[in-house]
Amino acid sequence: AQSVTQLDSQVPVFEEAPVELRCNYSSSVSVYLFWYVQYPNQGLQLLLKYLSGSTLVKGINGFEAEFNKSQTSFHLRKPSVHISDTAEYFCAVSDGGGGSNYKLTFGKGTLLTVNP
Amino acid sequence: GAGVSQSPRYKVAKRGQDVALRCDPISGHVSLFWYQQALGQGPEFLTYFQNEAQLDKSGLPSDRFFAERPEGSVSTLKIQRTQQEDSAVYLCASSPPGTGEGETQYFGPGTRLLVL
Repeated sequence: AQSVTQLDSQVPVFEEAPVELRCNYSSSVSVYLFWYVQYPNQGLQLLLKYLSGSTLVKGINGFEAEFNKSQTSFHLRKPSVHISDTAEYFCAVSDGGGGSNYKLTFGKGTLLTVNP
Repeated sequence: GAGVSQSPRYKVAKRGQDVALRCDPISGHVSLFWYQQALGQGPEFLTYFQNEAQLDKSGLPSDRFFAERPEGSVSTLKIQRTQQEDSAVYLCASSPPGTGEGETQYFGPGTRLLVL
């Protein structure tokens, strides 16, 4: 079974600073990788996903992530954060190309707090 | 367009009561998923429907949990004889028809269930 580790439960940063949210997953032959954001009292919203191809994936709101197969990582980055980026961020994985690729396994989440 | 909607948004139940949680997916979405999110945790997969067929119910924690989607649109998650450990946010997601490979899941706001 897949597993996802988000190494930081909370990340406080100042506005306009860069940020990296770390995500590692258990090894598999192939995987699909996702980052979702959850604002208070709202559902999860997809930021970006990696299915295949270029290992650098660009998403909404200026976020990007890089798939590193050798390190089984999929870290999320943004060069300059805004107050409005304050939210919970979830990394998720599914089996790539397998019969159960619909089944998302989530990490425990990282709370990003952007301070003025 | 309208997103995934869930009702009720909040539900308080006494231990032993039965509850029913409703999900209205995005119109035209074939796939529907239920997840359980305990406090401080990431969502955990419960079950998956393709149209009216329940193709995977491997994540349902006990036989007290039952889900249905009789006409391939609205879905209901029912929990019988609720226990305190059932307290969580229940998330519904849907995804459009496609290749089935890494399709984006669109999440509703969730139903927060508290069992006293």
